[in-house]
Amino acid sequence: GENVEQHPSTLSVQEGDSAVIKCTYSDSASNYFPWYKQELGKGPQLIIDIRSNVGEKKDQRIAVTLNKTAKHFSLHITETQPEDSAVYFCAPRGNYQLIWGAGTKLIIKP
Amino acid sequence: GAGVSQSPSNKVTEKGKDVELRCDPISGHTALYWYRQSLGQGLEFLIYFQGNSAPDKSGLPSDRFSAERTGGSVSTLTIQRTQQEDSAVYLCASSYRGGSSYNEQFFGPGTRLTVL
Repeated sequence: GENVEQHPSTLSVQEGDSAVIKCTYSDSASNYFPWYKQELGKGPQLIIDIRSNVGEKKDQRIAVTLNKTAKHFSLHITETQPEDSAVYFCAPRGNYQLIWGAGTKLIIKP
Repeated sequence: GAGVSQSPSNKVTEKGKDVELRCDPISGHTALYWYRQSLGQGLEFLIYFQGNSAPDKSGLPSDRFSAERTGGSVSTLTIQRTQQEDSAVYLCASSYRGGSSYNEQFFGPGTRLTVL
């Protein structure tokens, strides 16, 4: 089955700096690559996604880049703010289900 | 509009007791998912309902776990003879369609289950 790894598990950045989280997957048939954000005490929420026919997608301060050859995709957050503190999950779609990474805890230092 | 709701928000039970967790998906969403999330961990898939099709139960960890979805809407996850290792947050999500479509999953706030 699909194997998904996220790095790093914890990321601490100064407010205003950029953060990058990487997700690697094993299933070359995966064609949908979302990132979810989970705030404390809440369920995950989709923040950005990309399909396999696109290499990059941007939405204001967040962007996702995809390298299908290397089988990894990354979440980029620029000009980080305190409200970006949360756990971020990648969840590439395997056969027909999302396969969830273990999560990255992002800490924004004031 | 209303999102996915789950009840109860917290449940404390004694080992060996049965529990029922409820999920009300977004109206019109045909796909419904149950996940389990242990403290500080990722999401573990449990079961998936899509319309009137037979559910995908491949993620259920044991025969003590079961789920049903009545009338294509509300779903109940039942855990029989609870064990301490069942303690976790149980998340429900719904989407407009499941399967091969690129559909966002909308999550409820979860039910935190503690088995003493």
